[in-house]
Amino acid sequence: DTAVSQTPKYLVTQMGNDKSIKCEQNLGHDTMYWYKQDSKKFLKIMFSYNNKELIINETVPNRFSPKSPDKAHLNLHINSLELGDSAVYFCASSQASGRAGQYFGPGTRLTVT
Amino acid sequence: SQQGEEDPQALSIQEGENATMNCSYKTSINNLQWYRQNSGRGLVHLILIRSNEREKHSGRLRVTLDTSKKSSSLLITASRAADTASYFCATDLTGNQFYFGTGTSLTVIP
Repeated sequence: DTAVSQTPKYLVTQMGNDKSIKCEQNLGHDTMYWYKQDSKKFLKIMFSYNNKELIINETVPNRFSPKSPDKAHLNLHINSLELGDSAVYFCASSQASGRAGQYFGPGTRLTVT
Repeated sequence: SQQGEEDPQALSIQEGENATMNCSYKTSINNLQWYRQNSGRGLVHLILIRSNEREKHSGRLRVTLDTSKKSSSLLITASRAADTASYFCATDLTGNQFYFGTGTSLTVIP
């Protein structure tokens, strides 16, 4: 019954590794997002996908690559992880109409050592 | 930067009191939304107010929007300990482009 789910919940890895975070929503929403929340709780949008197409790509290093195999999934792959990538990553979804709020996943806490 | 800024950064009140937090932003918006985040959890959508609306209510929540001043306020009446959380405003520029503020950390003391 979970609306927006993310896996894994925790991810601890070493610098230089490549990792992926998966996101799925069962709400039938058209748009999905990835956000990064730093240690000061600042939440920054990274990517936005509408019907599997990228519509927003904020200033994010090329090491971050989103993949949307279908409307219900938006995965985030990160290459060559750096210490500064340590944060909580949230997936969210919404209807594209802009008349409703977003539904957030529980977050993935990434720690790069 | 399009991000909003909440004020105050932290607020501590007694249970039963009202809590008011403010949000200022910089650009024209489609709508503005408020979210709550409990510690270690994802954000939960509370209320959305469109750019042509001035006030909106939902239960104990009251949101105002002043587009001329590019500001919004969230009032929580008769606060409860369970209201303890961080509160964020998010500005929606185009219908699917959201920018969050820095958050207000609210503590309600039983």
